[in-house]
Amino acid sequence: DAGITQSPRHKVTETGTPVTLRCHQTENHRYMYWYRQDPGHGLRLIHYSYGVKDTDKGEVSDGYSVSRSKTEDFLLTLESATSSQTSVYFCAIRGQPGNEQFFGPGTRLTVL
Amino acid sequence: GQQVMQIPQYQHVQEGEDFTTYCNSSTTLSNIQWYKQRPGGHPVFLIQLVKSGEVKKQKRLTFQFGEAKKNSSLHITATQTTDVGTYFCAGAVFVTGNTPLVFGKGTRLSVIA
Repeated sequence: DAGITQSPRHKVTETGTPVTLRCHQTENHRYMYWYRQDPGHGLRLIHYSYGVKDTDKGEVSDGYSVSRSKTEDFLLTLESATSSQTSVYFCAIRGQPGNEQFFGPGTRLTVL
Repeated sequence: GQQVMQIPQYQHVQEGEDFTTYCNSSTTLSNIQWYKQRPGGHPVFLIQLVKSGEVKKQKRLTFQFGEAKKNSSLHITATQTTDVGTYFCAGAVFVTGNTPLVFGKGTRLSVIA
């Protein structure tokens, strides 16, 4: 699936701790996205990147930050995790030449 | 901001029945995409529609894009248990090349054998 991996795949953490999720791609795609998926809410965009060091906020960016220092890696950080951030997180890249998206396998995060 | 509404939220069908999910945008779209997510899996791209009134078929799946480019539908003929999953539409409004897709909330399809 477009060479996208996410790590970790599962994580349980405690409220107030910082958490970093990693998305790694091997095909030099320019655009990368972070979504969260919750029952009844579908896929909601957190942040996205359109190049190294170029990022922008999505619909639900509060409490999250991102960094992209290399083309292949897009990091999502929960600065101080809260129970409302318990979710499944998907990373995606935009394919070329069309703008279809290819998703990673997801990270299931539980904040206790 | 742009919204993409998808109905129904859930659909339960007997195997062999047809299924349709509808997608409506608050704004005119540049294109619309459809994705399928199997239970426990990740969304997988199915198709993209670009032209007004466009109709595309993939075996038992028929995708339509409305004349005004504000709505779309996915129709599955004679559902099978392999069709189980959540179907998402995603709309693109071209503002700049960076403008992201907006996803509908999805329709979860259950197929009873």
